[in-house]
Amino acid sequence: AQKITQTQPGMFVQEKEAVTLDCTYDTSDQSYGLFWYKQPSSGEMIFLIYQGSYDEQNATEGRYSLNFQKARKSANLVISASQLGDSAMYFCAMREGDSSYKLIFGSGTRLLVRP
Amino acid sequence: AAGVIQSPRHLIKEKRETATLKCYPIPRHDTVYWYQQGPGQDPQFLISFYEKMQSDKGSIPDRFSAQQFSDYHSELNMSSLELGDSALYFCASSPYRVAKNIQYFGAGTRLSVL
Repeated sequence: AQKITQTQPGMFVQEKEAVTLDCTYDTSDQSYGLFWYKQPSSGEMIFLIYQGSYDEQNATEGRYSLNFQKARKSANLVISASQLGDSAMYFCAMREGDSSYKLIFGSGTRLLVRP
Repeated sequence: AAGVIQSPRHLIKEKRETATLKCYPIPRHDTVYWYQQGPGQDPQFLISFYEKMQSDKGSIPDRFSAQQFSDYHSELNMSSLELGDSALYFCASSPYRVAKNIQYFGAGTRLSVL
């Protein structure tokens, strides 16, 4: 079964508008971490934001915020005021439990920001 | 700030050849992870090391081996290369057992097997 599901293969957003990228996860662990990474066309993997399962507040990092809904097992990324440089592939990832620190990635969402 | 350094950035090999990928973690990061990303796919975890010991193992083929050295750098050795090994190989590093355990990735090594 998919551990991380990203249902939007591709999305468009107008420059300066906000966009939400969806991510749902599946785990039976109480302790886990959720991450979002950005992969531009150049290929590198850039860390954006982290949310711990016990964190009560939604994480924010500049223009990025994570809409964490634990009961729904969703961790959507919100990008505010989109910029042309935001065009990239975005991956949601999860670290399960406390004994393994490997990341499990979703299939990604390709975001294209229109001028 | 210093980032994860991977070398080489690009590598072209023939089938059945061997390849060695190197990774230098961020200073004071003692844990290294290797991931493989095939064309159009999400990254898949291969293996990780903490303090020179293997800490976790994923879908790493038996033809691949890896180690971490005393200076914390790591090498991924790949033998009997196959066409299907063509991929982007990432190394990531993090401080061990920290609550957030954020993994910072290098720019990747793009391996092409011809």
